[in-house]
Amino acid sequence: SYELTQPPSVSVSPGQTASITCSGYKLGDKFVAWYQQRPGQSPVLVIYQDSKRPSGIPERFSGSNSGNTAALTVSGTQAVDEADYYCQAWDSSHVVFGGGTKLTVL
Amino acid sequence: EVQLVESGGGLVQPGRSLRLSCTASGFNFGDYAMTWVRQAPGKGLEWVAYIRSKPYGATTEYAASVKGRFTVSRDDSKSIAYLQMNSLKTEDTAVYFCAGDSGSLDYWGQGTLVTVSS
Repeated sequence: SYELTQPPSVSVSPGQTASITCSGYKLGDKFVAWYQQRPGQSPVLVIYQDSKRPSGIPERFSGSNSGNTAALTVSGTQAVDEADYYCQAWDSSHVVFGGGTKLTVL
Repeated sequence: EVQLVESGGGLVQPGRSLRLSCTASGFNFGDYAMTWVRQAPGKGLEWVAYIRSKPYGATTEYAASVKGRFTVSRDDSKSIAYLQMNSLKTEDTAVYFCAGDSGSLDYWGQGTLVTVSS
């Protein structure tokens, strides 16, 4: 079965740029979405189709996808961005999630 | 305002059944696939199942861990998606979310907790 691999944790200082990676075989051939989940809350879509932002998502969130790696970048990170982030792709009509990355804003 | 409200969770014994409902409002339910995702306590997101929209045949797909035990269905006249869970196991204990799916999971409910325990 297809797997997506994320680092368990990423730390960033306020105002700096955080990058969260998601790796999978030929991931660049698939569309990737990213979800933010704050503690005790439901996930929220922050990036879809690799790099598109839904309405209401701040411009500091951006995404890319090429080769075997997709990335979510948070520019000018704020304390409110501290959360778990999950990448997601489709493989053979199945939804696949990465294991999640905890973003800590120190 | 888009809303997805899950219901039907609770405590159930292993081997028993439970049916979850997901009631949608604020978007065109019939245009969306509906996906179920679960999250075990302290763990990550796990895809469970989805049902395509009627124009795509309302066909279904299941994760290997639930195939043959869970059934997803939809009633577009009521804007409700269902997840019928049979032969429940302790490892099915999780918060179950429904999501409106246009290729990405655009809208999420608040989740309903299912606890499988004797």
